[in-house]
Amino acid sequence: GQNIDQPTEMTATEGAIVQINCTYQTSGFNGLFWYQQHAGEAPTFLSYNVLDGLEEKGRFSSFLSRSKGYSYLLLKELQMKDSASYLCAVRDRDDYKLSFGAGTTVTVRA
Amino acid sequence: EAQVTQNPRYLITVTGKKLTVTCSQNMNHEYMSWYRQDPGLGLRQIYYSMNVEVTDKGDVPEGYKVSRKEKRNFPLILESPSPNQTSLYFCASSLTGGFGNEQFFGPGTRLTVL
Repeated sequence: GQNIDQPTEMTATEGAIVQINCTYQTSGFNGLFWYQQHAGEAPTFLSYNVLDGLEEKGRFSSFLSRSKGYSYLLLKELQMKDSASYLCAVRDRDDYKLSFGAGTTVTVRA
Repeated sequence: EAQVTQNPRYLITVTGKKLTVTCSQNMNHEYMSWYRQDPGLGLRQIYYSMNVEVTDKGDVPEGYKVSRKEKRNFPLILESPSPNQTSLYFCASSLTGGFGNEQFFGPGTRLTVL
């Protein structure tokens, strides 16, 4: 199985940058996902990393270091609509199970 | 419209009364999965299916059953629900179980077991 840790809450100001860290301990690794979940809604896909490095997608970027068991999601030019929970998920190498962290609630203030 | 549908969206039931939550996708996806979401615990995978007639346990399979007789449907069965199964349930699907295929989630089913 996987042990996935991410901060519970973060607060930032509109227009600022926020970095959400995710660390994992895994018996096997086959990719890391980030999902966004607004209150009362279903999660939606943000990014996927399987190789080390940075993946950029508009205002959102995701970084992975497999040797350190570490990833972060970077949200730039924060907008009020970015207030949501951000979920880090790791896929097991051997059986395609997907394990999620508890999620980080980001609150964007004006 | 490409989507994952779940029914019912809300359900209140009593301990021991068998229930089924249906899940259907219209995207011809091979991989389907069920999760439960509880405060402070995040999403936990219950069961997943790589394709028709292939199902595997996730992290919290106890008390649940699934079947995958058709590609589009993946029902979740609670044979004898108990109060600790009160939760928000999500069904999800992706093209395959591998690579970077994103999972598309259904709208969720809020279950209360009294």
